[in-house]
Amino acid sequence: SQTIHQWPATLVQPVGSPLSLECTVEGTSNPNLYWYRQAAGRGLQLLFYSVGIGQISSEVPQNLSASRPQDRQFILSSKKLLLSDSGFYLCAWSVRGNTGELFFGEGSRLTVL
Amino acid sequence: GESVGLHLPTLSVQEGDNSIINCAYSNSASDYFIWYKQESGKGPQFIIDIRSNMDKRQGQRVTVLLNKTVKHLSLQIAATQPGDSAVYFCAENLSMNTGFQKLVFGTGTRLLVSP
Repeated sequence: SQTIHQWPATLVQPVGSPLSLECTVEGTSNPNLYWYRQAAGRGLQLLFYSVGIGQISSEVPQNLSASRPQDRQFILSSKKLLLSDSGFYLCAWSVRGNTGELFFGEGSRLTVL
Repeated sequence: GESVGLHLPTLSVQEGDNSIINCAYSNSASDYFIWYKQESGKGPQFIIDIRSNMDKRQGQRVTVLLNKTVKHLSLQIAATQPGDSAVYFCAENLSMNTGFQKLVFGTGTRLLVSP
């Protein structure tokens, strides 16, 4: 069966510090991968998606970047965090294609102080 | 721009009642819709989906209704249980044959079930 893991689950970082959130998927090949952000009490905003190794598309201009060094690994990064980067970050995967459900990880809660 | 919204931010029901959560979407070209359940501090979990060529789909205790005329989606939960307490999100797929699923999520409705 397929599983998705993301870590760390929780982190508190000072403004200006770097960020690295990691996500890996097991049990499938060539997945579409996604990073979403969820502000408190709000819906999910798509940040990045990837349809293959090294292929990253950004949905919104922001202080973050994403990379996909391996087929089932997706990394969310920042060189210098801002207060506004605080939130709940969710990695997700889906079968390659135009429709179908997204399978979400358990999320990483980031607090920037 | 595209948007998906919910009519009620919080819905309180008694255990055993039926719950109905509503959602409006704005893009008439959306071809696929999903309902997710999110418990506190966790990632969203898939509940049920429906394609635009259908107007009703049933699962276990859940039914999704799609009214394309008024661009309205609803989730019905039968015999609501305390374990159903969570935030429910609807999402519409705007991928338009891009090869990936571009889901636009609503802001969510919190369902509170009292024993």
